[in-house]
Amino acid sequence: DTAVSQTPKYLVTQMGNDKSIKCEQNLGHDTMYWYKQDSKKFLKIMFSYNNKELIINETVPNRFSPKSPDKAHLNLHINSLELGDSAVYFCASSHELAGGRYEQYFGPGTRLTVT
Amino acid sequence: AQSVTQLDSHVSVSEGTPVLLRCNYSSSYSPSLFWYVQHPNKGLQLLLKYTSAATLVKGINGFEAEFKKSETSFHLTKPSAHMSDAAEYFCVVSERQRIQGAQKLVFGQGTRLTINP
Repeated sequence: DTAVSQTPKYLVTQMGNDKSIKCEQNLGHDTMYWYKQDSKKFLKIMFSYNNKELIINETVPNRFSPKSPDKAHLNLHINSLELGDSAVYFCASSHELAGGRYEQYFGPGTRLTVT
Repeated sequence: AQSVTQLDSHVSVSEGTPVLLRCNYSSSYSPSLFWYVQHPNKGLQLLLKYTSAATLVKGINGFEAEFKKSETSFHLTKPSAHMSDAAEYFCVVSERQRIQGAQKLVFGQGTRLTINP
């Protein structure tokens, strides 16, 4: 299947721990993203990488560090987890349409619960 | 700055009746507009997109949306609701890219669609 995949699907951990979420896309896209969906279902972009280069970095705590080993992978590492980090994290990738416009495809999400 | 307002947080319709989910946007430039659907505990699926071609856009599962620049609206409609349409729907705007290689999407707050038997 051609898609954006994320692991794990669910992640339950305690405050203060460090955890990673992995994302892979086999769509051949050059750009990948991380989004956070809060408890009210609001989605906000966190980061974007284009060909392993960070190009969007929203106001996100330094505890969040994305890493892109190649253009098909974008992992999210979170240090010193806090209760407020509990959310669903979505990975996405995009390709360019005509006229400099883009279309994004999303992964299934990772539900992170910090206790 | 671009923004999106979904005018209803919750819409409830009966099966077989029309669906209307309302969305207004604000954008300084020629926007791209999208509707995404999220079924319970699932990821986001692209329903349809407007990227400056035809103003009436047809998507998957019988949904369509009309871009009205004068009203800055991009409402989502479907003639006849099906039980499987019950989900959260997001209206999304993106400006013409100013960031090389990437696209910054701005999401609306979401509209929860409930279908009554």
